[in-house]
Amino acid sequence: GAVVSQHPSWVICKSGTSVKIECRSLDFQATTMFWYRQFPKQSLMLMATSNEGSKATYEQGVEKDKFLINHASLTLSTLTVTSAHPEDSSFYICSARGEGPLAFSYNEQFFGPGTRLTVL
Amino acid sequence: GNSVTQMEGPVTLSEEAFLTINCTYTATGYPSLFWYVQYPGEGLQLLLKATKADDKGSNKGFEATYRKETTSFHLEKGSVQVSDSAVYFCALSFADGLTFGKGTHLIIQP
Repeated sequence: GAVVSQHPSWVICKSGTSVKIECRSLDFQATTMFWYRQFPKQSLMLMATSNEGSKATYEQGVEKDKFLINHASLTLSTLTVTSAHPEDSSFYICSARGEGPLAFSYNEQFFGPGTRLTVL
Repeated sequence: GNSVTQMEGPVTLSEEAFLTINCTYTATGYPSLFWYVQYPGEGLQLLLKATKADDKGSNKGFEATYRKETTSFHLEKGSVQVSDSAVYFCALSFADGLTFGKGTHLIIQP
């Protein structure tokens, strides 16, 4: 199946710094990428949807100035957590949907393994 | 808004037992319904899906039927294996992002 990678898999940073998380589709072109956030023992919550070459669409309650999303190419999307604080500590997961030699079912998303962010 | 409710875990079963994980949803209209599975240390994988009422999704011995009248999409398997131990997420979608349930941790003991 289609493979999506995330880097880094975990990161620890000091409060006030910015952290960039990369999401890559390895064997297909991702026309749409999604960013989710998961708190311990909670569901995945959709943060934003990004389409290649256009601005991301953020869900209600997600600060677009804090969570910067860039989808500059068909295989890469980045999420930058700016001026991170301890309450931003969470598990961030991306998914991708797109086109390629593989047969894509309508609306199927392929998920990355996630990035664990800890802000001290 | 849309929401998905699934039974809280962990659910612990013996190998070869019958499995049911309940999932109900609230949505305006008729979404597509999904079950995703997350094995330890891995990303979410699509297990099965159904796109309209009365559709039955199936994969790897798991089944779920889209029940419009009860707004449910319960996951079932007739005989579980230790390798089925994972976290299972029920989800719905209309076109873009997914709305997930909280996940059910399934533990299968030999």
